[in-house]
Amino acid sequence: EPEVTQTPSHQVTQMGQEVILRCVPISNHLYFYWYRQILGQKVEFLVSFYNNEISEKSEIFDDQFSVERPDGSNFTLKIRSTKLEDSAMYFCASRGTSGGSDTQYFGPGTRLTVL
Amino acid sequence: DQQVKQNSPSLSVQEGRISILNCDYTNSMFDYFLWYKKYPAEGPTFLISISSIKDKNEDGRFTVFLNKSAKHLSLHIVPSQPGDSAVYFCAAKKSNFGNEKLTFGTGTRLTIIP
Repeated sequence: EPEVTQTPSHQVTQMGQEVILRCVPISNHLYFYWYRQILGQKVEFLVSFYNNEISEKSEIFDDQFSVERPDGSNFTLKIRSTKLEDSAMYFCASRGTSGGSDTQYFGPGTRLTVL
Repeated sequence: DQQVKQNSPSLSVQEGRISILNCDYTNSMFDYFLWYKKYPAEGPTFLISISSIKDKNEDGRFTVFLNKSAKHLSLHIVPSQPGDSAVYFCAAKKSNFGNEKLTFGTGTRLTIIP
């Protein structure tokens, strides 16, 4: 069964450093997402991406964040200058369009630790 | 932002019995609802969904019920199995184009007692 994959599984970085989190969505999906979950809190939407542009973003997704689909398979989230409060699990998700499906399928997550 | 609420942080159920997980929402614009299951250190796994045009959707041991007037949905798992022990998240969205955001509840930790 096709699945969303994410790398790395765990990323440790120093405050102020740039990080890039990588995702390979399900191959025939056209909509891509990033969510995060701070420890003990709910899963929060960051951004959605369709047709090579951002279609929706939350207030969390400020100028420090960017997304890119650099080729036909990868989808990345970049944090330019990490802060301590960026420490969280980051989940990538994707969805297709067949049958009008609204179901988003999630990857296993990348645990980001900012020191 | 408490638009989706799961008021029970935890639930314990005997193996073989029915598990009922509840979710309430406040935003009447939501018209598509999903349940996800999550194990520690893994991503949410999709279980079942329901559109607001229906009041019930069933898939094997999982049934989701939607009561639009009460803005309430529930997930029934029967019979419950030990592998069902996980955190269950309810999520909701508006289905019109351009609205992609899933709004999640805080989750209910289900423990199945053998």
